[in-house]
Amino acid sequence: DVKVTQSSRYLVKRTGEKVFLECVQDMDHENMFWYRQDPGLGLRLIYFSYDVKMKEKGDIPEGYSVSREKKERFSLILESASTNQTSMYLCASKGITKGFTEAFFGQGTRLTVV
Amino acid sequence: AQSVTQPDIHITVSEGASLELRCNYSYGATPYLFWYVQSPGQGLQLLLKYFSGDTLVQGIKGFEAEFKRSQSSFNLRKPSVHWSDAAEYFCAVGASSGNTPLVFGKGTRLSVIA
Repeated sequence: DVKVTQSSRYLVKRTGEKVFLECVQDMDHENMFWYRQDPGLGLRLIYFSYDVKMKEKGDIPEGYSVSREKKERFSLILESASTNQTSMYLCASKGITKGFTEAFFGQGTRLTVV
Repeated sequence: AQSVTQPDIHITVSEGASLELRCNYSYGATPYLFWYVQSPGQGLQLLLKYFSGDTLVQGIKGFEAEFKRSQSSFNLRKPSVHWSDAAEYFCAVGASSGNTPLVFGKGTRLSVIA
């Protein structure tokens, strides 16, 4: 069974804290993504990575950075959390070289910044 | 640029009634199309996908979707809705090659009443 695992289901952080959201996939997928989901706005792409140490900005990268040191792990970093980053964060992975696949999603991390 | 439009933000249907959720896409080449479902507080689960071939695709939980190239549509249908189908539904489009992310619509929330 394919799996994308996000390290936390719920997080509460204080304004100004540095926050790490971790995502691990076990499918040997090349592509990994971080989306943010807010009511009425759907899923918005923050960053994605198509290979180890490679990253591309999505639609809303401001205030975020990412790290991909190993193929299976993709981390989202909030350098200094702000209340407007309170949201649901979804990680996904997608295969390419072994045949195009759909994106597989983690269960999501509900982040609240107070 | 790729884009996906889901015209209906919220739909309410009676249990046992039929369902159709609309999805229109904009894409320059043959698209890969997907429908995902999200239960409250959860990640996204794939319902079905279209890559090529038969334009009527069957998915899980009794859902089906029809690709109509002339209308740039990929509508999701179910003949008889169950209360457990209440969720949010997302249509997505992807490129057939390369390291490009899926683009999602803003979602349609489905409510089911007795």
